[in-house]
Amino acid sequence: AQSVTQPDIHITVSEGASLELRCNYSYGATPYLFWYVQSPGQGLQLLLKYFSGDTLVQGIKGFEAEFKRSQSSFNLRKPSVHWSDAAEYFCAVGDNYGQNFVFGPGTRLSVLP
Amino acid sequence: DTGVSQNPRHKITKRGQNVTFRCDPISEHNRLYWYRQTLGQGPEFLTYFQNEAQLEKSRLLSDRFSAERPKGSFSTLEIQRTEQGDSAMYLCASSSIPDDYNSPLHFGNGTRLTVT
Repeated sequence: AQSVTQPDIHITVSEGASLELRCNYSYGATPYLFWYVQSPGQGLQLLLKYFSGDTLVQGIKGFEAEFKRSQSSFNLRKPSVHWSDAAEYFCAVGDNYGQNFVFGPGTRLSVLP
Repeated sequence: DTGVSQNPRHKITKRGQNVTFRCDPISEHNRLYWYRQTLGQGPEFLTYFQNEAQLEKSRLLSDRFSAERPKGSFSTLEIQRTEQGDSAMYLCASSSIPDDYNSPLHFGNGTRLTVT
């Protein structure tokens, strides 16, 4: 079974600063990796996904993530954070059959003006 | 694409009562998932349907929980004899089956259950 860790429970950055949210996964085969964002009281919105190919994937809202097999990581980055990016961010790993998705505990992002 | 719809958005009930939630997935999606999310945690898998067949259930899904998807379209999640520990956000998600056997989940806005 797969698992996901997100080492940072809460991160605070200033508006305009760069951002990196960490995600490490455990899965015996090639993982399918996702980042979701959740605003308070809302469902989860997909930011980006990695299935295969180029290990640097681009997503919505200016986010990108890099898959590093050697480090079992899929870190999320954004070069310049906006106040509207304040939310909870979840990394998830799916199995090869698209049947089992496991989510990390989330990282809460706060943005200072 | 009208998105995944969940009703109700909020439900407050007294301990011991039964509750039922409904999820309407994206119309062309044949996979439907239920997740539970407690405060400060990521979503935890409860159960999964492919069309009308319930293919997997988590150990989190005690015998007080039952889910159905009778015609392979909408789904219901019922909790009998609710307990305070059932208080959580219940999220529904759907996906399709593409050629590569994987597809991201599309989530609804959830039903927040409060058991008093």
